[in-house]
Amino acid sequence: RKEVEQDPGPFNVPEGATVAFNCTYSNSASQSFFWYRQDCRKEPKLLMSVYSSGNEDGRFTAQLNRASQYISLLIRDSKLSDSATYLCVVNSGSNYQLIWGAGTKLIIKP
Amino acid sequence: EAQVTQNPRYLITVTGKKLTVTCSQNMNHEYMSWYRQDPGLGLRQIYYSMNVEVTDKGDVPEGYKVSRKEKRNFPLILESPSPNQTSLYFCASAGLGQSTDTQYFGPGTRLTVL
Repeated sequence: RKEVEQDPGPFNVPEGATVAFNCTYSNSASQSFFWYRQDCRKEPKLLMSVYSSGNEDGRFTAQLNRASQYISLLIRDSKLSDSATYLCVVNSGSNYQLIWGAGTKLIIKP
Repeated sequence: EAQVTQNPRYLITVTGKKLTVTCSQNMNHEYMSWYRQDPGLGLRQIYYSMNVEVTDKGDVPEGYKVSRKEKRNFPLILESPSPNQTSLYFCASAGLGQSTDTQYFGPGTRLTVL
């Protein structure tokens, strides 16, 4: 079993729709969780951190479920510019090593 | 402008010919790291460095070397490249105060080993 697993997609979603995807992790000692965004053939960029209480940033909401060991990302009112690959990232339990999921590809269609 | 730079951006080479990919950051970050990204796999860490003259192996260090003689630079060295090292490579940096939460990435180096 991979340490961090994501559905690779692609998720094909019409513009304006709401889309959500999950990521599961295997290390129960993980303390920090993040979503990064990666555009085609470009570098990953931090989208948002995921806190225990959940957090929201505009149209984006991230949730953490420690009991079931997954994090989720919800995108409301999706835009064409949201098309990208979303990478789930989990702290390995040590402060300086992050474990990366393979990413979920999202395609927003007009 | 705060940034991480990598050179070259694209490289095609042959098996066994030593090469170096440079990485430089201008944010005075203590932490720097090299990753490779392959289709269907997440980013895999090759080596990381917590500060000058301090380097540690990541998950896939075999076939790679690094050095950290200066804070801003963290070159990746392939002494004898092989075709299985064909990949997209990213350098990243972070300030230790942020516990590497926010990693800043270079634009990537696409390496092909024939």
